[in-house]
Amino acid sequence: GIQVEQSPPDLILQEGANSTLRCNFSDSVNNLQWFHQNPWGQLINLFYIPSGTKQNGRLSATTVATERYSLLYISSSQTTDSGVYFCAVASSGGFKTIFGAGTRLFVKA
Amino acid sequence: NAGVTQTPKFQVLKTGQSMTLQCAQDMNHEYMSWYRQDPGMGLRLIHYSVGAGITDQGEVPNGYNVSRSTTEDFPLRLLSAAPSQTSVYFCASSYQENTEAFFGQGTRLTVV
Repeated sequence: GIQVEQSPPDLILQEGANSTLRCNFSDSVNNLQWFHQNPWGQLINLFYIPSGTKQNGRLSATTVATERYSLLYISSSQTTDSGVYFCAVASSGGFKTIFGAGTRLFVKA
Repeated sequence: NAGVTQTPKFQVLKTGQSMTLQCAQDMNHEYMSWYRQDPGMGLRLIHYSVGAGITDQGEVPNGYNVSRSTTEDFPLRLLSAAPSQTSVYFCASSYQENTEAFFGQGTRLTVV
C-alpha cells in the first residue's frame, strides 16, 4: 500500500517564527489532506489539497503531485499552533485514506 | 448541524467484554471510516464504508466488526476486547471517498 512519511517528527519554535512541514508519499494520489490535532485531541481540517497551492490566513500548503510531496507552511507561529500536524493521502483508484506519523509542533511564548 | 458524533467519549472494558462504538453523521456523506490512534502515533485505518451496505477492511481490521445499514450510522463492534485494543478511536465521514474528511471527537477506550 501507499507509504506516507512526514518530516520533521518534532519541531520547537519560538513564537513568531516560520516553519515548513513536509509530507512525502510513495504513489500517485487523488486525495491529500492536512490536519491539525490540538492538545485536546481534536482533529481539525486545514487543507484538502491533492494538487496546487492554497492559503488560509497564516497557513498555506502546496502539493506537487508529480513529485509526490506536499508542504505545509506556518508563518508567524503562535502558541495556539502547537499540536500534531498530520498528512493523510489516498492513492489513485483507492478507497483507503492513510495517515502519516505526524509532526509534533511546540511553539514557545 | 452536529457533523460527526461519536458515543461514548470514554469507556473502560474488561478483557473479553464486547461493546459497540457509535458513530453518526448528519451530512448525508457516503464515505465513513474508523481509525485508531495509539500514543505518539498517527491514525491507522480499521474499516471503511463507501455507502450503505458496503464495508471493507483497512490496515488493522482484526478484532473489529462493522456494518452500515443506513447512510447516517457506522458502528464499530469489539467482539471480545483485548488490552491491545486500548486506544483512541476516531470516526470520519466525507461526501465521497476522495473528498474532504470530517472527524468526530474520538472515543477513549481502555481495556483492563
